[in-house]
Order: sequence, then C-alpha cells, then structure tokens
Amino acid sequence: ETGVTQTPRHLVMGMTNKKSLKCEQHLGHNAMYWYKQSAKKPLELMFVYNFKEQTENNSVPSRFSPECPNSSHLFLHLHTLQPEDSALYLCASSQPGADNEQFFGPGTRLTVL
Amino acid sequence: AQSVTQPDIHITVSEGASLELRCNYSYGATPYLFWYVQSPGQGLQLLLKYFSGDTLVQGIKGFEAEFKRSQSSFNLRKPSVHWSDAAEYFCAVGAREYGNKLVFGAGTILRVKS
Repeated sequence: ETGVTQTPRHLVMGMTNKKSLKCEQHLGHNAMYWYKQSAKKPLELMFVYNFKEQTENNSVPSRFSPECPNSSHLFLHLHTLQPEDSALYLCASSQPGADNEQFFGPGTRLTVL
Repeated sequence: AQSVTQPDIHITVSEGASLELRCNYSYGATPYLFWYVQSPGQGLQLLLKYFSGDTLVQGIKGFEAEFKRSQSSFNLRKPSVHWSDAAEYFCAVGAREYGNKLVFGAGTILRVKS
C-alpha cells in the first residue's frame, strides 16, 4: 500500500449504531487530519493530530471521537450520528514544519439513515 | 480571518479550449498556496503549489498557476483542456504562522464538452 488509505470506502449506518473509520498513511508523516466534505459546502477541517497529539478540534460534536494510536494510524469513532452527518470523510497527512502540503486518502462515503 | 474564494461554482469549456479557474484569498501572513483536483468518488490530488520564488508555478497534467500578491489571487490555467480534466478543483491557503492548517475554497466544478 502506498500513500493514504481509508477503510471502509462506503458505510451506511443507523442513528443508534457505533462504527469506526480508519485511516493509514505510508508516507512517514507526523501530522494527520480528518475533514468532512458535504455537498455544496467547503471542506471542513474536523481534527488535527501532530505527533499523535490532538492539536485542533474545530468545534466538532462529541458524537465524533478521534483516536491516533501512532503517527501512521488515525481513527474516527462514530456514535449516535444524525442524518446531517452524512458526507464524505477525508483523511490527510503531512509532515509538520514542511510546506503544509497535505496528502489525501480516497475518503469514506458515510450515509446515516 | 483567513478565507479563500473561488467565485465560479461551475465552469464549462470545450475540449481543446483554454481554461482559467479563479482563486482569491484573504490572509494576514505570507501564504502558501495550493490547487487540488478531485475526481468523483476520490480524494484530493495536488496539482501544484507555491511557497516563494517564481510566481508562475508549473504543475502536473499541464496546469500552471500564477501568484499575484497585489491582487491576492492564485489563478489556475491550462492552455488546452482535455475531457479527462473534468473534475472539481479546490484552491487552498496555508501559512507557517498558522501551523499546518489549510483553508480551502468551496471548489469549482469543471465540465468539458466535446
């Protein structure tokens, strides 16, 4: 595997379910990001991790819970979601202190019923 | 506050015609500027980036962009569009002073007609 991978690529869940999104980067980076991409809205930064420490939480509801066990893996745990949370969730990575270039995964298309 | 404006939500061009996608930013620091492209169902792929130096930067797939500080713009251009260029294009801005965050524009959807 190369670059940034995300699993699953598609997820359908009910509002009472608990699920997790996984992101893995094979680039040796130390910063990872979660973004939410909804139709007709700009890309929304959700969380930033630098060297496994959360450095940004962009006022994200607590029903989204990130986890970064090491610099290569990032999870987004989901529970009690709402239909308006349906979106494409993108993971990205970069090397802190470099040129801010972020490398993106293919995303997880989430549908909340 | 930092912001990025892509004034055109949709643009349609004929195959072989030239293309210019507009991007304007509002940033208090010296910006880093990026253009990304997203095909349906895919993540974002970097086309090109500007940090310093020559204000005309070349990217992949025949794209180029010009940084104009006086106009706070970073417009993307291609001299001859191919049908495979149909996608959504995002301009993004960052700065060392703001850590490693990027602010993205809302995107421009490019349609190519044959």
